[in-house]
Amino acid sequence: KQEVTQIPAALSVPEGENLVLNCSFTDSAIYNLQWFRQDPGKGLTSLLLIQSSQREQTSGRLNASLDKSSGRSTLYIAASQPGDSATYLCALKTGANNLFFGTGTRLTVIP
Amino acid sequence: NAGVMQNPRHLVRRRGQEARLRCSPMKGHSHVYWYRQLPEEGLKFMVYLQKENIIDESGMPKERFSAEFPKEGPSILRIQQVVRGDSAAYFCASSPLGTATGNTIYFGEGSWLTVV
Repeated sequence: KQEVTQIPAALSVPEGENLVLNCSFTDSAIYNLQWFRQDPGKGLTSLLLIQSSQREQTSGRLNASLDKSSGRSTLYIAASQPGDSATYLCALKTGANNLFFGTGTRLTVIP
Repeated sequence: NAGVMQNPRHLVRRRGQEARLRCSPMKGHSHVYWYRQLPEEGLKFMVYLQKENIIDESGMPKERFSAEFPKEGPSILRIQQVVRGDSAAYFCASSPLGTATGNTIYFGEGSWLTVV
């Protein structure tokens, strides 16, 4: 059974700092991996999707990497801003019809 | 182009009552997924539906929970005889094709159920 772990559970950084969020998984047989953002009391917003054949994806200040052999993905956020404060979730798509989610990292960017 | 629409956004039910949560997928999407997020836990898959068909309900509790996606109208997640442990955020998501093809999945804003 796929298990997805995100460490740390919470992270606080000063504005402007670059940071890395981590996601690890136990089963490397995945179709894709997706990073989401969730604001309090809100739904999920998809940030980046990496297909299993890809190593990374970039969008603006965000860069996500995927290393299936080691069961790891990272989300790199450059020049963090207070508006980046949210919970970040990684989710894996396996052969089943669902996504396996991590429990998330709650990010606070301090002005 | 409206996103995935869920209603109600917040619902309060007494123990033993029924809860009905509705989800209208994005236009052009025929695949709907329901997830549940318990307090301080990650999202857990419940059920995957296409129009008029339940494709995968491996995450649904065996009793009291049911889901449908009729030919016309929204998908409905129904919880009968609710208990306090059903209090959670229920998220609906949709995609144009099955996520096995690698399509991005789009989530609604969620329905927060509180059982008192």
